[in-house]
Amino acid sequence: GAGVSQSPSNKVTEKGKDVELRCDPISGHTALYWYRQSLGQGLEFLIYFQGNSAPDKSGLPSDRFSAERTGGSVSTLTIQRTQQEDSAVYLCASSAEDFDNEQFFGPGTRLTVL
Amino acid sequence: GQQLNQSPQSMFIQEGEDVSMNCTSSSIFNTWLWYKQDPGEGPVLLIALYKAGELTSNGRLTAQFGITRKDSFLNISASIPSDVGIYFCAGTLTGANSKLTFGKGITLSVRP
Repeated sequence: GAGVSQSPSNKVTEKGKDVELRCDPISGHTALYWYRQSLGQGLEFLIYFQGNSAPDKSGLPSDRFSAERTGGSVSTLTIQRTQQEDSAVYLCASSAEDFDNEQFFGPGTRLTVL
Repeated sequence: GQQLNQSPQSMFIQEGEDVSMNCTSSSIFNTWLWYKQDPGEGPVLLIALYKAGELTSNGRLTAQFGITRKDSFLNISASIPSDVGIYFCAGTLTGANSKLTFGKGITLSVRP
């Protein structure tokens, strides 16, 4: 079946602009996660959605970052007033309810802020 | 925050050799997972471990959940060129709501 998809695959923007990154999880997966991966680093947790529960936003680095998940499926990560330090690969993952530690990742969106 | 330690950053082996990678932490983890990431791709789950002492295999890969719950290792036997990539360990802490903590990864190179 189809895996996690993300769009765009690459995004180049100017400092100060807003960007939206999209994630389509695996069909039927109830949990969705966003991570950020900077060059040569491991993955940094950003936000977690599980079903209808309130999202865990504890990893968002600043109030310029927000995410929503509509209809329990597609999610959008928004970064407002982008800064150069926001440049990274943004990865989305999803998992099934009974195996929520086994997360399946999308290919990521590479964001470059000039 | 909590960290998972992976070292060295890079490993170089000859095709056909076995390789072992370790992941340690000062904190107790409830689950341990091993992922592999190829360039331009997202991480792919290799093995998930749920119980202290658990030893699990997936083809040429074997991983163990340490008895102390503070470490895990991944073994790759009879390495082949397509084993190249970045290997990440990850884990979940008690009460951490399934959000994964990742190590910084080990880049594996396999010489033919």
